[in-house]
Amino acid sequence: AQSVTQLGSHVSVSEGALVLLRCNYSSSVPPYLFWYVQYPNQGLQLLLKYTTGATLVKGINGFEAEFKKSETSFHLTKPSAHMSDAAEYFCAVSDRTGNQFYFGTGTSLTVIP
Amino acid sequence: KAGVTQTPRYLIKTRGQQVTLSCSPISGHRSVSWYQQTPGQGLQFLFEYFSETQRNKGNFPGRFSGRQFSNSRSEMNVSTLELGDSALYLCASSLIGAPGANVLTFGAGSRLTVL
Repeated sequence: AQSVTQLGSHVSVSEGALVLLRCNYSSSVPPYLFWYVQYPNQGLQLLLKYTTGATLVKGINGFEAEFKKSETSFHLTKPSAHMSDAAEYFCAVSDRTGNQFYFGTGTSLTVIP
Repeated sequence: KAGVTQTPRYLIKTRGQQVTLSCSPISGHRSVSWYQQTPGQGLQFLFEYFSETQRNKGNFPGRFSGRQFSNSRSEMNVSTLELGDSALYLCASSLIGAPGANVLTFGAGSRLTVL
């Protein structure tokens, strides 16, 4: 079975600082990779996804993530944090059938003014 | 295009009761998945339905069940509620067969509180 590890359940950054949220996966075959964001009292919203091709993926709200096969990682970054980025972020993987997804336990991002 | 709709959004039940939650997927999406979200546990996969058939099931007791109708709408039921069933229940739909990866689109969730 696949698994997803998100390092750091809570991350705090100052407004304008770099955001780095870490995600590592375990899979013998490169899976499809996703980042979702969840705002309070809402469902999850897709930020970006990696399937094939370019390993640097750009998403909404200025976020991007890089797939590194050798490190089995898919870290999420944003050059400059905004107050509105405060939310819970989930990394997820699916196998290549796309029929089953595995989620990390989430990272809560706090942005300090 | 309407998103994934979950009803009710909030509900309070007492131990021993049962509850039914409803999910209407995005039009054209035939796969519906259910997740339980609790603090510290993240998202736990409950089950996934496609064309009225349960294809995958997570590690939950038999008190948790679901079904899917011919119009792809889905319901999940929890019987004999326990305090630990208090959670946000999320439904997600996806368009099976699309090029590339299937993407889950989530509803806003149903927040269940068991007293």
